[in-house]
Amino acid sequence: DAGITQSPRHKVTETGTPVTLRCHQTENHRYMYWYRQDPGHGLRLIHYSYGVKDTDKGEVSDGYSVSRSKTEDFLLTLESATSSQTSVYFCAISEGGGNTEAFFGQGTRLTVV
Amino acid sequence: GESVGLHLPTLSVQEGDNSIINCAYSNSASDYFIWYKQESGKGPQFIIDIRSNMDKRQGQRVTVLLNKTVKHLSLQIAATQPGDSAVYFCAENSGGSNYKLTFGKGTLLTVNP
Repeated sequence: DAGITQSPRHKVTETGTPVTLRCHQTENHRYMYWYRQDPGHGLRLIHYSYGVKDTDKGEVSDGYSVSRSKTEDFLLTLESATSSQTSVYFCAISEGGGNTEAFFGQGTRLTVV
Repeated sequence: GESVGLHLPTLSVQEGDNSIINCAYSNSASDYFIWYKQESGKGPQFIIDIRSNMDKRQGQRVTVLLNKTVKHLSLQIAATQPGDSAVYFCAENSGGSNYKLTFGKGTLLTVNP
């Protein structure tokens, strides 16, 4: 999986609790992404990063924040989890952003009850 | 558990037949396109890419065709095998973005032995 590790792989949490998902890469790629995948919606971009401490919103960023303090780590935080955030979350990395392929992690299945 | 295949267009073929999966993209300024394969429970995997200065590119058993006039992308899989059963996504760097890719909703390919 191109040196991408997501943790945890599965998580069940209660509504209103904070949750942080971690993506770690060993490829030294500049770009990192968080997507969510839901039936009928495909992959939707939450946030992305184009360098250390450089991040921007995707199409479904409400309720999520991110941080990238090191090249290799990109954290996704749900400040107060809601049931609508139950999903499978994928991290991806890319050397060239929109000009080269992105490589995906194995995903994190998050259930908010 | 939920399947990313729910509510998706589906294509069912016999083992050994050729498969053609289609994708209509949205932005005429997009200049980079990728096909991904996603097996159940896994992250999307890169198959093949094409840039807008080409209209055809071939890989091992796969060919991607790009028709910029009608904003259409297709993936042809030769001699389809049961291991090809998966959801296939097209992606574009919408509008020529240097940062990110936008994904289609996917097509579920089922190969019957």
